[in-house]
Amino acid sequence: EIVLTQSPATLSLSPGERATLSCRTSQSVSSSLAWYQQKPGQAPRLLIYNASNRATGIPARFSGSGSGTDFTLTISSLEPEDFAVYYCQQRYSWPRTFGQGTKLEIK
Amino acid sequence: EVQLVESGGGLVQPGGSLRLSCAASGFTFSSHAMNWVRQAPGKGLEWVSTISISADNTYFADSVKGRFAVSRDDSKNTLYLQMSGLRAEDTALYYCVKSSSSFYYENWGQGTLVTVSS
Repeated sequence: EIVLTQSPATLSLSPGERATLSCRTSQSVSSSLAWYQQKPGQAPRLLIYNASNRATGIPARFSGSGSGTDFTLTISSLEPEDFAVYYCQQRYSWPRTFGQGTKLEIK
Repeated sequence: EVQLVESGGGLVQPGGSLRLSCAASGFTFSSHAMNWVRQAPGKGLEWVSTISISADNTYFADSVKGRFAVSRDDSKNTLYLQMSGLRAEDTALYYCVKSSSSFYYENWGQGTLVTVSS
């Protein structure tokens, strides 16, 4: 099983700042990685797939990068609605696995 | 608009069974792999099961293998999860999820809550 480790666990920033979230996998997943956003009481939403492709309707301030074992989700300038929990997920092999999540909170 | 509506959750005793359903609309159901993903209260996301197009292949997390079964009825645009031998650790919100063409989790339902307790 591929283990995904996200860091930091919690990130405290202010609106307008840049957010950088990390996801490291225990073995290479090539570019087969996605990022999801989950707000309280809501289902997750797909943000980024194949490491760097924005899903339909996702604002350009969200970007993904990386390949192999190290991946980054960047939010260029935080909007109030961006404060949420973010998960990475690999689809390179079975079982599919998620990271434990990074909580992005308002400072 | 894609809609995924789960049903069938509830309170069940340890060792009991439950069948979840997911009614899909707004897309060609038969053309997409479908998934179940769960989230225990206050915890992260855990993939549970995937069923391929035409149900040719099914996949399960080790934590549910041998206890859960997944199926689909393309004539009814419905996905199912048959759960048996339920344990306290199966307590979670169960999401029905549509796969994208790249096999990511593109659309999510609002979930149905399963509580396993005596």
